[in-house]
Amino acid sequence: KAGVTQTPRYLIKTRGQQVTLSCSPISGHRSVSWYQQTPGQGLQFLFEYFSETQRNKGNFPGRFSGRQFSNSRSEMNVSTLELGDSALYLCASSPRSSPADEQFFGPGTRLTVL
Amino acid sequence: GEDVEQSLFLSVREGDSSVINCTYTDSSSTYLYWYKQEPGAGLQLLTYIFSNMDMKQDQRLTVLLNKKDKHLSLRIADTQTGDSAIYFCAERGGGFKTIFGAGTRLFVKA
Repeated sequence: KAGVTQTPRYLIKTRGQQVTLSCSPISGHRSVSWYQQTPGQGLQFLFEYFSETQRNKGNFPGRFSGRQFSNSRSEMNVSTLELGDSALYLCASSPRSSPADEQFFGPGTRLTVL
Repeated sequence: GEDVEQSLFLSVREGDSSVINCTYTDSSSTYLYWYKQEPGAGLQLLTYIFSNMDMKQDQRLTVLLNKKDKHLSLRIADTQTGDSAIYFCAERGGGFKTIFGAGTRLFVKA
């Protein structure tokens, strides 16, 4: 069974631009969560989607948004990029939206904002 | 609000036991997790413990939970150089989000 895939793996943007990251969960998984990882803030929860519905959202500004499609693939979008948005963005999938389910993480998309 | 804290660094000799500690604040936490992240890789779930358990053992890994003190620890027996990585403690409560600690970087000296 293929793991969680994230595209692109690396991205370089400039301030003010917007970016879209993609995550394909493991086949059959319906829950997708997004995290931002930075050296200073560690891993911070962005949002979780289950069956195309956002279940919870972390403490990030409205510039960060996401969505999930009927095939469970998910995208996150960051508009008006700032230097501080440079980070590794990790996506994780699980079968359901249950804390008992193991979350499987993708390799991440490393975003650099210049 | 919810918070998870852990020490940033731990250095041990190969063959010794490693103990990584973590404290959390959310009393409604139902599941507590330990993840491992190797350089350039995503996170890998090592083990988890349900909040009504005190201990869980899985081969070289032992997780201890003190719910009263909101303290979680991960013991790695016979630590090997391949165990060098960042270890994250995380908790999940009644909401749908997982809160991670900052990670403990484990150095294993040969």
